[in-house]
Amino acid sequence: DIQMTQSPSSLSASVGDRVTITCRASQSVSTYLNWYQQKPGTAPKLLIYAASSLQSGVPSRFSGSGSGTDFTLTISSLQPEDFATYYCQQSYSIPYSFGQGTKLEIK
Amino acid sequence: QVTLRESGPALVKPTQTLTLTCTFSGFSLGTGGMCVNWIRQPPGKALEWLARIDWDDDKYYSTSLKTRLTISRDTSKNQVVLTMTNMDPVDTATYYCARMKSSGWYVDCWGQGTLVTVSS
Repeated sequence: DIQMTQSPSSLSASVGDRVTITCRASQSVSTYLNWYQQKPGTAPKLLIYAASSLQSGVPSRFSGSGSGTDFTLTISSLQPEDFATYYCQQSYSIPYSFGQGTKLEIK
Repeated sequence: QVTLRESGPALVKPTQTLTLTCTFSGFSLGTGGMCVNWIRQPPGKALEWLARIDWDDDKYYSTSLKTRLTISRDTSKNQVVLTMTNMDPVDTATYYCARMKSSGWYVDCWGQGTLVTVSS
């Protein structure tokens, strides 16, 4: 099974900051890497698929990059609604796996 | 518009079997490339993928849970059912059903989730 490791586990930042979250796979997942945002009490929401493709309706301040084992999610200028938990997920092979999450908090 | 909704018991006892139903609209699981997944999330913890069923009735399971899980579908009713046997308190979680398409292998639509508590 492929293990996904995110860093950091939590992050404090201010509105307007540029933030980067990292996800590492235990083996290559090519570009089968997706990012989701989850707010308390709600289902996750797809942000980025195939490592770098922006889901329709997602603001352009979100971007993703990487291939193989190392990936990043970047928020170029944090907005108040971006404070949430972010998960990466590999869909290269079954069983699918998620990272442990990165909780983005207001500084 | 694609929607998915999970239903099932909110409380089950240890050793019992859990049966959850995902009722969806806006797509057909009989259409090539469509898949439905079950994913769970214990309170305050990360997401965990459980199972997937495809348009051609292929089925896939979590390695650690595969002996306890069964996924099935009723295409005419637009429903997917997940059963999990021998429930334990560690299985307490919000259970989500979620659509995926083979064109990209990402979850583009999620149900709202249903919280299942395992307690005697």
